[in-house]
Amino acid sequence: EDQVTQSPEALRLQEGESSSLNCSYTVSGLRGLFWYRQDPGKGPEFLFTLYSAGEEKEKERLKATLTKKESFLHITAPKPEDSATYLCAVLSEGETSYDKVIFGPGTSLSVIP
Amino acid sequence: KAGVTQTPRYLIKTRGQQVTLSCSPISGHRSVSWYQQTPGQGLQFLFEYFSETQRNKGNFPGRFSGRQFSNSRSEMNVSTLELGDSALYLCASSSTGLSPLMVGGTATNEKLFFGSGTQLSVL
Repeated sequence: EDQVTQSPEALRLQEGESSSLNCSYTVSGLRGLFWYRQDPGKGPEFLFTLYSAGEEKEKERLKATLTKKESFLHITAPKPEDSATYLCAVLSEGETSYDKVIFGPGTSLSVIP
Repeated sequence: KAGVTQTPRYLIKTRGQQVTLSCSPISGHRSVSWYQQTPGQGLQFLFEYFSETQRNKGNFPGRFSGRQFSNSRSEMNVSTLELGDSALYLCASSSTGLSPLMVGGTATNEKLFFGSGTQLSVL
């Protein structure tokens, strides 16, 4: 069964303390992996798309990497405004001609000043 | 460019009632997908519409249905509401949708743009 898990469930960092979030997946036929950021009361906001193992994407203090089994979202020197829930989603081959998207449960990040 | 618009923002219903939620995608986007988000289950895919046709469906009961109009606006309907239907319902739009194979075989920059959601409370 296709599955996407994220760890840790919650992470509390001091401002400037770098860390990584993990997204592990078990799917048949990966089409792409997405990272989203979600603030309370809002819909997810797109961050990155990764398509193949070894690929890396960077945006400001965030860097996403992908292997054949997992993806990491590295946060370098985080600031309080980075506090949010980070979701990963996997686009995989569906049973029909159409792909399906599976979201992980998310990691709630709190950055303390 | 205006973003994805969902209405209403909040909704309170009682068990047994039905509800209709609306989603207006980004101009030019033909795909609208719907998701249910709860603290316990996270974000779960409901279904996707592309050019007025439902082309993918998640594992939700038939009480959950949707449709898409010629202007790409989409509605989602939930009949015979249950307490467990209380959730944030999100819609997302994209230009090609969840099936990059349909447009050439390679997903080059596919991403979903989400609305702020409709918070449904069933009492």
